[in-house]
Amino acid sequence: GDSVTQMEGPVTLSEEAFLTINCTYTATGYPSLFWYVQYPGEGLQLLLKATKADDKGSNKGFEATYRKETTSFHLEKGSVQVSDSAVYFCALSANAGKSTFGDGTTLTVKP
Amino acid sequence: NAGVTQTPKFQVLKTGQSMTLQCAQDMNHEYMSWYRQDPGMGLRLIHYSVGAGITDQGEVPNGYNVSRSTTEDFPLRLLSAAPSQTSVYFCASSYTTAGNPYEQYFGPGTRLTVT
Repeated sequence: GDSVTQMEGPVTLSEEAFLTINCTYTATGYPSLFWYVQYPGEGLQLLLKATKADDKGSNKGFEATYRKETTSFHLEKGSVQVSDSAVYFCALSANAGKSTFGDGTTLTVKP
Repeated sequence: NAGVTQTPKFQVLKTGQSMTLQCAQDMNHEYMSWYRQDPGMGLRLIHYSVGAGITDQGEVPNGYNVSRSTTEDFPLRLLSAAPSQTSVYFCASSYTTAGNPYEQYFGPGTRLTVT
C-alpha cells in the first residue's frame, strides 16, 4: 500500500536558519503530494502541494519539488521565523477522499 | 463559509460508553473522511465516504461506525469506548474537479479521553 516516510524530529533551529524536512513516499500510480502544517491546538491546514513530477509547490517562503525519480518531496525554507514553529506533515493522495500521512515533524524555532 | 465543523471539542467517556462525534461541512464537497491522531503516529484513516450513502473502511476501522445520509454530515460513532480510543479525531472533506489534487480541508478536531 501507499506510505510516507518523514524525517524524524524534533527539529530545533535558530531564527533565520535554513530548514529542510525530508519526505519520501511509496505509491502505485501518480499521486499528488502535499505538506500540511498544524499549529498547537488546531487542525491541519494545507501549506503547499504538487500534482505531477517536477512541479514545485510554494507558499509563505516554503518550497517543495515533486521528484519522481527519487520519490521525494522535501520541504525547504531559506530563513525560518519563530512563527514557523509547528508540526509539519507530508502526505500523498491518489484517491479522492483518502490521504496517507507521514508521522509529522515538530519544528521549534528559537529567537 | 464555516468550512468543516466538529462537535464536541472535548469529551471524556468511561469504558463501554457509546457516543457520536459530529462533523459537518458547508462546501458541498463530495468526499469526507475521519482520521485519528496519536502521538508520533501521524494521522490514520478510520472511515471515508465518496458521497451520500457510500462509505468504506480505512486503515483502523474497528470499534467505529459511520453513515452518510447527506452531503453535509458525516458522524462517527464509537460503539463501546475503550481506552485505546483515546485520541484526537479529525474530520476532513475534499472534492474533485479536473486537475484537483484531492487536498483535504480539516476540522478543528475532537479530543477524546476514555477512562
